[in-house]
Amino acid sequence: NAGVTQTPKFQVLKTGQSMTLQCAQDMNHEYMSWYRQDPGMGLRLIHYSVGAGITDQGEVPNGYNVSRSTTEDFPLRLLSAAPSQTSVYFCASTSGYGYTFGSGTRLTVV
Amino acid sequence: SQELEQSPQSLIVQEGKNLTINCTSSKTLYGLYWYKQKYGEGLIFLMMLQKGGEEKSHEKITAKLDEKKQQSSLHITASQPSHAGIYLCGAALGGSARQLTFGSGTQLTVLP
Repeated sequence: NAGVTQTPKFQVLKTGQSMTLQCAQDMNHEYMSWYRQDPGMGLRLIHYSVGAGITDQGEVPNGYNVSRSTTEDFPLRLLSAAPSQTSVYFCASTSGYGYTFGSGTRLTVV
Repeated sequence: SQELEQSPQSLIVQEGKNLTINCTSSKTLYGLYWYKQKYGEGLIFLMMLQKGGEEKSHEKITAKLDEKKQQSSLHITASQPSHAGIYLCGAALGGSARQLTFGSGTQLTVLP
């Protein structure tokens, strides 16, 4: 099983550009979430979804949009990238016992 | 302030030494997870603790949950270079096992 797959692994954006971080899981997990990881701050929840068609905001949602049209996919969109969004982004899914994380996307906004 | 405080922030030990990492919550714990992360990689699930007093072990890693103190500890016995990485604790502070809050992590270096 692939688990949770994130693409791309690395990305450099210019300020103001938009992009979508892809996340897909093949475990039929209902719950998926996006975190960002910054030095000294651990993981902070951006958005989460409890099932297809249902999403909600986490701790740091500003500047990010999500949608969940299928159980498998949970893309994260940056509409107008800002240097403050330079971070490592992790997608995760769970059936309720432990999270499975993707390998992360390292995003730099210049 | 962080809802989950990890200590120490970083730890350097000689191979073969024992070590302990602590995770303290400012809120009631409904479940506590330990993860390990190597640089540039995702998080690897180590173990989950749900009940006060619960203790779990996997190879040379033991985690305990003290519900009264709202604290968990991760103990590594006879550390090896393969134990090096960032250890993160995550907890379901809001009552939902699916929404986790994470500590800031402990960077562990094991010197050969």
